[in-house]
Amino acid sequence: NAGVTQTPKFQVLKTGQSMTLQCAQDMNHNSMYWYRQDPGMGLRLIYYSASEGTTDKGEVPNGYNVSRLNKREFSLRLESAAPSQTSVYFCASRNSGSGADTQYFGPGTRLTVL
Amino acid sequence: AQSVTQLDSQVPVFEEAPVELRCNYSSSVSVYLFWYVQYPNQGLQLLLKYLSGSTLVESINGFEAEFNKSQTSFHLRKPSVHISDTAEYFCAVIDYAYSGAGSYQLTFGKGTKLSVIP
Repeated sequence: NAGVTQTPKFQVLKTGQSMTLQCAQDMNHNSMYWYRQDPGMGLRLIYYSASEGTTDKGEVPNGYNVSRLNKREFSLRLESAAPSQTSVYFCASRNSGSGADTQYFGPGTRLTVL
Repeated sequence: AQSVTQLDSQVPVFEEAPVELRCNYSSSVSVYLFWYVQYPNQGLQLLLKYLSGSTLVESINGFEAEFNKSQTSFHLRKPSVHISDTAEYFCAVIDYAYSGAGSYQLTFGKGTKLSVIP
């Protein structure tokens, strides 16, 4: 049981390049989330998917798109990367029903945009 | 919308001394409260949570937090810290009346870095 996995662990991009961050969970959770973490800012929600087939914007969605590919996978895409998107990105998942309040986090992807 | 304030960005403390990490949230009658811990270069792990019932909640490694509704606070305490407690601690809240469609969005504070000095 790997929990929440994220790929890649590290990535360096040039301004204007695109890339997709991958996230998968093996806990059969319904809801998945993407956050970014910046020094002194805590974690801020980018997008979330309350269930398979649905996605919604969070606090800081500009410059990102998401795809809930299936129940396991939730990807985050940067179409044209900017230096302001240099950050650590975390994916999380949450079940519904008993214990539905707790989100489980992946190890993160450190992204640098030059 | 909810907001969470962690009053201290960094807290240095000597090993075996007590520590309190402070957290206040904006007023609401419908909140779940959490403390998450992040060890260096890792993701976040749930430390403890308050959903309902007893206002004092405990973790397996000696931390405790008390929900104080009148002061809208959820401070984290440990009577004696260890070197291994060095990490960043995040307070977070779900306002389950505000979160639509069962999204249960977490709002995080900015974090408190706890440094335990040998």
